[in-house]
Amino acid sequence: GQNIDQPTEMTATEGAIVQINCTYQTSGFNGLFWYQQHAGEAPTFLSYNVLDGLEEKGRFSSFLSRSKGYSYLLLKELQMKDSASYLCAVKNDYKLSFGAGTTVTVRA
Amino acid sequence: DADVTQTPRNRITKTGKRIMLECSQTKGHDRMYWYRQDPGLGLRLIYYSFDVKDINKGEISDGYSVSRQAQAKFSLSLESAIPNQTALYFCATSTSSVKREQFFGPGTRLTVL
Repeated sequence: GQNIDQPTEMTATEGAIVQINCTYQTSGFNGLFWYQQHAGEAPTFLSYNVLDGLEEKGRFSSFLSRSKGYSYLLLKELQMKDSASYLCAVKNDYKLSFGAGTTVTVRA
Repeated sequence: DADVTQTPRNRITKTGKRIMLECSQTKGHDRMYWYRQDPGLGLRLIYYSFDVKDINKGEISDGYSVSRQAQAKFSLSLESAIPNQTALYFCATSTSSVKREQFFGPGTRLTVL
């Protein structure tokens, strides 16, 4: 089975940094994805990790430790438009299993 | 732009009615997926298809059926809708590469009364 855990909600101030953790226990692993989803909209791809380490993309970075079943998404220089849900998803055998998502609220 | 589209975007129906949700894509992707999203539960896979003659059940396929009419079209049917099928439904597509992400359509909000 698949078990993917992430916090339900996080709040941060504009300009700050927020780290969203994701832990997983899955029957297989072909990579970990992070998606952003604004309320009522489609999820959009943010990052992909398949090897251990940090992947950086502008203000967003994602880290993976396969031995610990752990990933995090780091959002720097937070902007109001970053208020959204962030979904952690593990790929196994060409299928994605999603966590329930973390709702990030950015306050002025 | 190559895209994933879903129709209808919103639908209200009654218990027992048959409903079809349609998905089309112009990305040229082989693989298509149907998910439902419920508050607090995240996205759950209903069915997926790796090509026109391939249909596979996901984790919550009971009460649903699908049809892959062409590479670009994948429809989801609820033969007899029930209230607990009220949810946001997303179609997604991907290439055959395991490293590539899935692209999601805009979603269909379905309410079963």
